[in-house]
Amino acid sequence: DTGVSQDPRHKITKRGQNVTFRCDPISEHNRLYWYRQTLGQGPEFLTYFQNEAQLEKSRLLSDRFSAERPKGSFSTLEIQRTEQGDSAMYLCASSAREPKQGKLFFGSGTQLSVL
Amino acid sequence: GQQVMQIPQYQHVQEGEDFTTYCNSSTTLSNIQWYKQRPGGHPVFLIQLVKSGEVKKQKRLTFQFGEAKKNSSLHITATQTTDVGTYFCAGTRGATNKLIFGTGTLLAVQP
Repeated sequence: DTGVSQDPRHKITKRGQNVTFRCDPISEHNRLYWYRQTLGQGPEFLTYFQNEAQLEKSRLLSDRFSAERPKGSFSTLEIQRTEQGDSAMYLCASSAREPKQGKLFFGSGTQLSVL
Repeated sequence: GQQVMQIPQYQHVQEGEDFTTYCNSSTTLSNIQWYKQRPGGHPVFLIQLVKSGEVKKQKRLTFQFGEAKKNSSLHITATQTTDVGTYFCAGTRGATNKLIFGTGTLLAVQP
């Protein structure tokens, strides 16, 4: 068990609805990442936090996507007005140091299906 | 889209055969990491390479970082059924902390 937990494991929603996912990183890790993965593809970077500060955000992330990490611990990823193209596995990862020095520990992900 | 390419996309081997996956970036990488993702699972860290030309070994796995820090390879000697999964390389560029994943190589091992 990597220690990164994500909730829910699965989410089925109708197009146009809003969804929110939660990630609890390993407690001593101050860095948190969100990735999106579709079948047969590698994880695609969405955003990155160091403590509560959102330091990087992918240009692929439309204004329908927002992520927060208010107290520098758990994080939430919200998708507003979901579209069928949003269907994917949303992975959260945490690390103790920068990617240049440290490794990412991934959670089991939240599988989103937009009908 | 993906900016780090891996070949092959898929490889099917008989148990005991060797396997190699190649990772290529269009730009210089600050470091390279390798992850393994079992079917239905999440990526699990294997190793990190930082220096140009660096070679690291983990039992039957050999990892190499190219001299120009634009490519890397993972070689598995005498594959086993437990090696089944998708192998991803991932790297960072410049000052960014964004870890960019490759397209992955799916390895199937027939007993």
